[in-house]
Amino acid sequence: AQSVTQPDIHITVSEGASLELRCNYSYGATPYLFWYVQSPGQGLQLLLKYFSGDTLVQGIKGFEAEFKRSQSSFNLRKPSVHWSDAAEYFCAVDTNAGKSTFGDGTTLTVKP
Amino acid sequence: DAGVIQSPRHEVTEMGQEVTLRCKPISGHNSLFWYRQTMMRGLELLIYFNNNVPIDDSGMPEDRFSAKMPNASFSTLKIQPSEPRDSAVYFCASQRNSYNSPLHFGNGTRLTVT
Repeated sequence: AQSVTQPDIHITVSEGASLELRCNYSYGATPYLFWYVQSPGQGLQLLLKYFSGDTLVQGIKGFEAEFKRSQSSFNLRKPSVHWSDAAEYFCAVDTNAGKSTFGDGTTLTVKP
Repeated sequence: DAGVIQSPRHEVTEMGQEVTLRCKPISGHNSLFWYRQTMMRGLELLIYFNNNVPIDDSGMPEDRFSAKMPNASFSTLKIQPSEPRDSAVYFCASQRNSYNSPLHFGNGTRLTVT
């Protein structure tokens, strides 16, 4: 069965600093990978997705993620964090059955 | 595109009462999912439908929970009788008919059972 691990429960960065959120997955076949963001009181919103091709994918709000098959990772990055990026971030893997498995999420705090 | 619409946004009820949560998916989306989010358990998939048919309800906690999708534009999640441990945020999400399509989430219903 597929699984997703987000090792960091909580990360704090200063505004303007770079950010990397880690995601590791376990899945026997080619994964379909997603990053979602959840702001307080709202549902999850898609940031970016990877299916195939270029392993570096660009998303909304200046985020990018890199798929590394050898490391079973799909880490999310942003070169310069803004205060509005404070939120909870979820990595997810989709199976051929159409069900997404989500990680436990990483809460991002941005210091002024 | 109005997005996925859930109602109510907040529900407070007493233990033993029936609770019904509602969801209107995005038009043209063929799959619909119900999730529950709590601090302790994170995001849990309860049930999902494809073309209005329940495909997997293995995540439904117990017989007190039931879900229906009478047509492509409406789904309900019912809890009867409700218990305090059911307190959570319940999300509905819809997806275009492709397993590599992203989920589109509603803003959730925050349920409090006292």
